[in-house]
Amino acid sequence: AQKVTQAQTEISVVEKEDVTLDCVYETRDTTYYLFWYKQPPSGELVFLIRRNSFDEQNEISGRYSWNFQKSTSSFNFTITASQVVDSAVYFCALRNSGGYQKVTFGTGTKLQVIP
Amino acid sequence: DTGVSQNPRHKITKRGQNVTFRCDPISEHNRLYWYRQTLGQGPEFLTYFQNEAQLEKSRLLSDRFSAERPKGSFSTLEIQRTEQGDSAMYLCASSLDVGLYGYTFGSGTRLTVV
Repeated sequence: AQKVTQAQTEISVVEKEDVTLDCVYETRDTTYYLFWYKQPPSGELVFLIRRNSFDEQNEISGRYSWNFQKSTSSFNFTITASQVVDSAVYFCALRNSGGYQKVTFGTGTKLQVIP
Repeated sequence: DTGVSQNPRHKITKRGQNVTFRCDPISEHNRLYWYRQTLGQGPEFLTYFQNEAQLEKSRLLSDRFSAERPKGSFSTLEIQRTEQGDSAMYLCASSLDVGLYGYTFGSGTRLTVV
């Protein structure tokens, strides 16, 4: 069985602050994939990043960065210098290597960036 | 091809009626998924197609739910004898290989059963 936990239900920050969204996952597989998706108020889920279990290198893309730590089963997401357009619900997700491509999502963290 | 298209965007139906949703995936994507999302929750997997074959169904998918993907192109999700608990956003996604690229989601169909 696989599980994704996003303990932060809602976070509010003031514009230009940095914010970190936490994600903890559970899986018995040694090979798996982790994802982050953004769901803005319009409702459409937008793919942000994929990370393989065998690649623990952290990644930075503009103001976004991801910290993957297998030792703690965490895949945290940091937004630097937050902007109002970052306001959305963010989902962390997990897929194992086998099976039929099913992805398990966390319950999401709602981020509100206040101008 | 501008992405995954879902129709209708909204559907209000009376309890007990049947409803059908349509999903048009990105044309070169051979994998298609249906998910359901209720308020405050993440999407929950319902079913998966590879080309025209339905390869996996969640236990969430009761016998009132049926999905098809004729000819491996568009897909339909039908709910028979709708119940108030079926009210949710129904999301369709497609991919080549989700391990590499992640899904591309449609905007969803919001179902309200009254």
